Amino acid sequence: DAGVIQSPRHEVTEMGQEVTLRCKPISGHDYLFWYRQTMMRGLELLIYFNNNVPIDDSGMPEDRFSAKMPNASFSTLKIQPSEPRDSAVYFCASSWGSFEAFFGQGTRLTVV
Amino acid sequence: EDKVVQSPLSLVVHEGDTVTLNCSYEVTNFRSLLWYKQEKKAPTFLFMLTSSGIEKKSGRLSSILDKKELSSILNITATQTGDSAIYLCALIYNQGGKLIFGQGTELSVKP
Repeated sequence: DAGVIQSPRHEVTEMGQEVTLRCKPISGHDYLFWYRQTMMRGLELLIYFNNNVPIDDSGMPEDRFSAKMPNASFSTLKIQPSEPRDSAVYFCASSWGSFEAFFGQGTRLTVV
Repeated sequence: EDKVVQSPLSLVVHEGDTVTLNCSYEVTNFRSLLWYKQEKKAPTFLFMLTSSGIEKKSGRLSSILDKKELSSILNITATQTGDSAIYLCALIYNQGGKLIFGQGTELSVKP
């Protein structure tokens, strides 16, 4: 298996634009997590899914953030409109049955 | 609010030193505690600890969970420059499988 695949790897966008981050979890995994990592706040859990259903989105910072998982092999995290303070590395991770999670390589988002 | 707190936040040592990284938590109902290593990119899994008092070991790294003290330690003996990384502690909740992280310890090993 290729592991968790995220795209794009880097994204630079202007304030106000819509940004969509994509994630393909490891096949067979039933949990999918979206995290945001910054120097100040570390690795924050934004939202996670179990069997494609959102379980806890209490970490989503604002209504500008939304996430979907239309099927077991794909998830998106959307920011609309984006702001400079959204600049961070966004990680997707997946796991099976509450065992260790495996991370994608992350998307480095810069909003100017 | 549930918390995972790591200490120290950063540490500088010389090759050959032994280091101990700490993770304490205020989470009432968790299944397992995990340690990850993060170099330049994604965190990579090191250990999963479920039972108190049982040491997990992998080469120069070892870790143990103390549920009475609500904490875990990660030991690295005979450190090498390749051990330089951020070490992250995380908890998996019993209900729902939520996975939350501490803020990490940045370890720098000088030659």
